[in-house]
Amino acid sequence: DVKVTQSSRYLVKRTGEKVFLECVQDMDHENMFWYRQDPGLGLRLIYFSYDVKMKEKGDIPEGYSVSREKKERFSLILESASTNQTSMYLCASSHNFIEQYFGPGTRLTVT
Amino acid sequence: GQQVMQIPQYQHVQEGEDFTTYCNSSTTLSNIQWYKQRPGGHPVFLIQLVKSGEVKKQKRLTFQFGEAKKNSSLHITATQTTDVGTYFCICTNAGGTSYGKLTFGQGTILTVHP
Repeated sequence: DVKVTQSSRYLVKRTGEKVFLECVQDMDHENMFWYRQDPGLGLRLIYFSYDVKMKEKGDIPEGYSVSREKKERFSLILESASTNQTSMYLCASSHNFIEQYFGPGTRLTVT
Repeated sequence: GQQVMQIPQYQHVQEGEDFTTYCNSSTTLSNIQWYKQRPGGHPVFLIQLVKSGEVKKQKRLTFQFGEAKKNSSLHITATQTTDVGTYFCICTNAGGTSYGKLTFGQGTILTVHP
């Protein structure tokens, strides 16, 4: 069975902390995505990676960075967490932009 | 730039009524994907449409892709309480490069009253 896993379901961090969100997929997909999802705004793409060490900015990359050192793992980093980064973070992977498989999500609260 | 408008934002129906959500793009699409997200869950892929005028069915769900490949609809016949959730589209632009090809509908939240 296809699996995308995320390191935490719930996370509470303080303003200014550095936050790491990890995503792992077992499907050998070349494409991996990080989204945030907020009520009324739908999915918004933060970063996208199409290969190891390759990345592209999405629609809202400010305040975030990413790392993809291995094909199966894509990390999202909040350099200095702020309260406006409180959100649901979803990771996804896909082959050739066809059918994205989503992880369970991490609900991050920044206080 | 390319925009996708999804309507309606909310839909409340009685069980047994039909439901339709629409995604409308300002530019021609290469394909469109539909996803369902149950309350508290993660998005799950439903279908991809590629061809102009394409119609696909999955039990009570009917998906259509417009002739101009700029709009699409998802129709549910005789809704059930298990249909509750958010339905949204992910659109791939014709042309463009890598991620810039993707745009997202804001989602339609469906509630079904028993």
